[in-house]
Amino acid sequence: DVQMTQSPSTLSASVGDRVTITCRASQSISRWLAWYQQKPGKAPKLLIYKASSLQSGVPSRFSGSGSGTEFTLTISGLQPDDFATYYCQQYNSYSYTFGQGTQLEIK
Amino acid sequence: QVQFVQSGAEVRKPGASVKVSCKASGNTFTSDGIHWVRQAPGQRPEWMAWINGGSGNTKYSQKFQGRLTLTRDTSARTAYMELSSLSSEDTAVYYCARVPGPTGYFDFWGQGTLVTVSS
Repeated sequence: DVQMTQSPSTLSASVGDRVTITCRASQSISRWLAWYQQKPGKAPKLLIYKASSLQSGVPSRFSGSGSGTEFTLTISGLQPDDFATYYCQQYNSYSYTFGQGTQLEIK
Repeated sequence: QVQFVQSGAEVRKPGASVKVSCKASGNTFTSDGIHWVRQAPGQRPEWMAWINGGSGNTKYSQKFQGRLTLTRDTSARTAYMELSSLSSEDTAVYYCARVPGPTGYFDFWGQGTLVTVSS
């Protein structure tokens, strides 16, 4: 299976900041990558698919980039509602694996 | 609007089985894949298996092969996940989620079902 590694594991930031989370795949996955936001006790929420496509209804301050083995999720102008855990997920040949998560905390 | 409603929390003893349901509403089910993803406390989500809502074809993660069974009832628009030979390591929240068409991302999720395995 393709292994996904996120960095950092924890990120402290303030409202209004611009933050970037990185996700690396153990082998090339082209652009078959999604990003999710999860809050305690809730299901993950899809933010980005196919590396850079914004899911309907997701604010434009969220953006994704990358291809191959390295990907980033950027949040421009953090809002109070953005403090949560973020996961990347690859989908390749009926194999689906998630990164270990990045917890975004209020500084 | 697509929505999935799952059955309620379950408690089982080691060695037992559990069956969780996932009822769909909205424009989905027969044209999409219904996947099952679990998340142990403090852990990353883990993909388990999927079923084609229309054909009923299934694919299982090798990790669960032999003790996981997915089924669906198209008339009831409901998918089922049954996991047997439970151990404490199966304690987790189990989610159903949709993969739209021939893609691979999960765009709609159920609310989750907590399964606790304890003697």
